[in-house]
Amino acid sequence: QQPVQSPQAVILREGEDAVINCSSSKALYSVHWYRQKHGEAPVFLMILLKGGEQKGHDKISASFNEKKQQSSLYLTASQLSYSGTYFCGTSGSARQLTFGSGTQLTVLP
Amino acid sequence: DGGITQSPKYLFRKEGQNVTLSCEQNLNHDAMYWYRQDPGQGLRLIYYSQIVNDFQKGDIAEGYSVSREKKESFPLTVTSAQKNPTAFYLCASLRGIGGYGYTFGSGTRLTVV
Repeated sequence: QQPVQSPQAVILREGEDAVINCSSSKALYSVHWYRQKHGEAPVFLMILLKGGEQKGHDKISASFNEKKQQSSLYLTASQLSYSGTYFCGTSGSARQLTFGSGTQLTVLP
Repeated sequence: DGGITQSPKYLFRKEGQNVTLSCEQNLNHDAMYWYRQDPGQGLRLIYYSQIVNDFQKGDIAEGYSVSREKKESFPLTVTSAQKNPTAFYLCASLRGIGGYGYTFGSGTRLTVV
């Protein structure tokens, strides 16, 4: 079953923060986060594994609450380059991902 | 550099035709996947393969077929049985379990004319 992402869309000014949520009705082994620019392939951002810690690099980080089967992606001090559609992908086993419908993020100057 | 090559970038299909989308990787990854993306939508799994000569149906396999005769190659055939094939098709591979993300190809945009 497809994970539910929220919000569907968000518009920010440069330097503002954003949070994107991903929720599943199934027990999860891993959560992936990807960013896709228009007309391009998704690019892997990070993976969170069951039993793992919160991850992050630069100003993008994520958390994984196994009990609630939820993950959140945090974008801090957003830059113009952060614009795109963000997808979470969830896996109940090790290899197949089911993707959410995406969150469209627009960062304005 | 290693990566996934999908071809062609754009493909036009007439009603009743079968077409084949190519996906080649030189990453030495075992697992490969085909996803379909419709405008404004997420990615839906068509087929996947975890090893040569073996593949499994995903959520929307009807009207599609695949083969995995070589580790590097995972072509997708869109058959005439697929009634609404216009979409963006993405091929992906995975290095292994635990800690790795998918590597995606640049996609093939298929349009029925």
